[in-house]
Amino acid sequence: DTAVSQTPKYLVTQMGNDKSIKCEQNLGHDTMYWYKQDSKKFLKIMFSYNNKELIINETVPNRFSPKSPDKAHLNLHINSLELGDSAVYFCASTKGGQLNLQETQYFGPGTRLLVL
Amino acid sequence: QQQVKQSPQSLIVQKGGISIINCAYENTAFDYFPWYQQFPGKGPALLIAIRPDVSEKKEGRFTISFNKSAKQFSLHIMDSQPGDSATYFCAASMDTGRRALTFGSGTRLQVQP
Repeated sequence: DTAVSQTPKYLVTQMGNDKSIKCEQNLGHDTMYWYKQDSKKFLKIMFSYNNKELIINETVPNRFSPKSPDKAHLNLHINSLELGDSAVYFCASTKGGQLNLQETQYFGPGTRLLVL
Repeated sequence: QQQVKQSPQSLIVQKGGISIINCAYENTAFDYFPWYQQFPGKGPALLIAIRPDVSEKKEGRFTISFNKSAKQFSLHIMDSQPGDSATYFCAASMDTGRRALTFGSGTRLQVQP
């Protein structure tokens, strides 16, 4: 069973397009995250949701908008894609609610986005 | 501002040798220090983690050494194997940061047979 899954695995698109990446976890976790890994493999937090509520929003262009329809899903929508958005995007999740976040984060397999 | 600094950037070790990766952090509010292992094309996976009230933690061939006063921690891989070849990331988190991980820049480890 896949604990944290992402779709699609690969995404190639033209500059200016709008695209979405989906993430689902079947671990029963309350908190989910989006991280971006650039071409130098540097990993950086973008967003975090706890039980469908946004709790972290790092300095990310507002072209990026996370959406959490329920606590098992955290999707990432990107408007007006730019060349610099090319990266690998990882979803992660952790157990625990608002007041008792656990440390261990489980990562998905990543979505490789290439903007041409 | 890079809050977690990691070195070396790459490391080549012979099979059976010891691999050592070092990290230093700046924010004293960090209270959880995990190491993640990432194979090509895969997501990072937790390898081992430590909290600052412990100076060392060992799990199999993997050991974290933690020096709170120096704000440094390191990963030691004993008896390194070719299957250990991967990119290793140190990280840190704190409760007030809602447990978002601040990662080091990564170390690409290659274990030669």
